Amino acid sequence: DAGVTQSPTHLIKTRGQHVTLRCSPISGHKSVSWYQQVLGQGPQFIFQYYEKEERGRGNFPDRFSARQFPNYSSELNVNALLLGDSALYLCASSLATGVINEQFFGPGTRLTVL
Amino acid sequence: TQLLEQSPQFLSIQEGENLTVYCNSSSVFSSLQWYRQEPGEGPVLLVTVVTGGEVKKLKRLTFQFGDARKDSSLHITAAQPGDTGLYLCAGRNSNSGYALNFGKGTSLLVTP
Repeated sequence: DAGVTQSPTHLIKTRGQHVTLRCSPISGHKSVSWYQQVLGQGPQFIFQYYEKEERGRGNFPDRFSARQFPNYSSELNVNALLLGDSALYLCASSLATGVINEQFFGPGTRLTVL
Repeated sequence: TQLLEQSPQFLSIQEGENLTVYCNSSSVFSSLQWYRQEPGEGPVLLVTVVTGGEVKKLKRLTFQFGDARKDSSLHITAAQPGDTGLYLCAGRNSNSGYALNFGKGTSLLVTP
């Protein structure tokens, strides 16, 4: 079975530009979460979506937005890019039911802002 | 403020040695997960612990959840170079909803 897929793998942008990152969850998973991981840190929670509705949002500015589509895939959008947005962006999918709610991560998109 | 504190931050050992890494918090977690991450890749789930005092084994890896569900440990027996990577603990509590709170990780290097 295919795992979580993300595209693109790598991306280079300049300050002020906009970026869209894409994620396809594991088949049967209805929830997608987005995390930002800067070098030397653990992943930081950005958003969680379930059945196309936002379920949670981390401490990120309004420049960050996301959505989930009827097929459960998701997009993360970042506007007005800053140098500090350079990071590995991770998508995780889960069944989003029960106490455990294990999350499975994709390979990530490496974003570099120049 | 980091909800989960991991120690040590870095660990370099030789093949065949044993090691333990720790994940501590002042908060109670409903579940805690351990991941291993290699450079440039996403974290890979190793185990989930739910019950206080629970011990789970995965080959040479032993995971324990503290009785009060505030801490966890990962013990590796006879480490091998393939164990090299960043070990991350992540937990969910009543404030985080479905989001995972991650520690900064323990970077492990096992040399032949």
